[in-house]
Amino acid sequence: AQSVSQHNHHVILSEAASLELGCNYSYGGTVNLFWYVQYPGQHLQLLLKYFSGDPLVKGIKGFEAEFIKSKFSFNLRKPSVQWSDTAEYFCAVISYNNNDMRFGAGTRLTVKP
Amino acid sequence: DGGITQSPKYLFRKEGQNVTLSCEQNLNHDAMYWYRQDPGQGLRLIYYSQIVNDFQKGDIAEGYSVSREKKESFPLTVTSAQKNPTAFYLCASSRTGQGADTGELFFGEGSRLTVL
Repeated sequence: AQSVSQHNHHVILSEAASLELGCNYSYGGTVNLFWYVQYPGQHLQLLLKYFSGDPLVKGIKGFEAEFIKSKFSFNLRKPSVQWSDTAEYFCAVISYNNNDMRFGAGTRLTVKP
Repeated sequence: DGGITQSPKYLFRKEGQNVTLSCEQNLNHDAMYWYRQDPGQGLRLIYYSQIVNDFQKGDIAEGYSVSREKKESFPLTVTSAQKNPTAFYLCASSRTGQGADTGELFFGEGSRLTVL
């Protein structure tokens, strides 16, 4: 089965700083890739997804992620974070073969006003 | 409204007791999932089901059991064999196949189980 690694457990930034959260996965087959976000006290919700085509995908709230197949990576970026981006971010991978969705351990982002 | 309903939201249980968490969806999704969320460990897959009457173990299935008798329902039983059952449990569903919408998970609000 595939596995997902998120390198940063807790990231603290000031408003307007740029953000990059790392995500690597291990799986040899075809996968779909996702970033989910969980704001304090809320459901997990989809931030963005990659299925095929342009490896640079744009999501909600100004987030984007780049799929680099050779590096098995799907890093999340945002040029300028806001206090409201404070949340926990999860990278997830699902294989085409078995619909088995696996998540990384999550990265907690704290944005200081 | 379409969505996923988990119940109960909070549950307390004594050691040695089994407990069943309910998960119902009206999204007409084929696939359903149970995850356990612990601080610092993200979401770990317990069981998933791609179709009625079929399910597969995830990474941490020991001490848990599931059934999928109806498309809409995927209850999770936390048995007394589960060594550390106190956790937040999330149910999710998704379409299956290889279309543009497949794989996106829709989550319930979660059930917090505390073993006393």
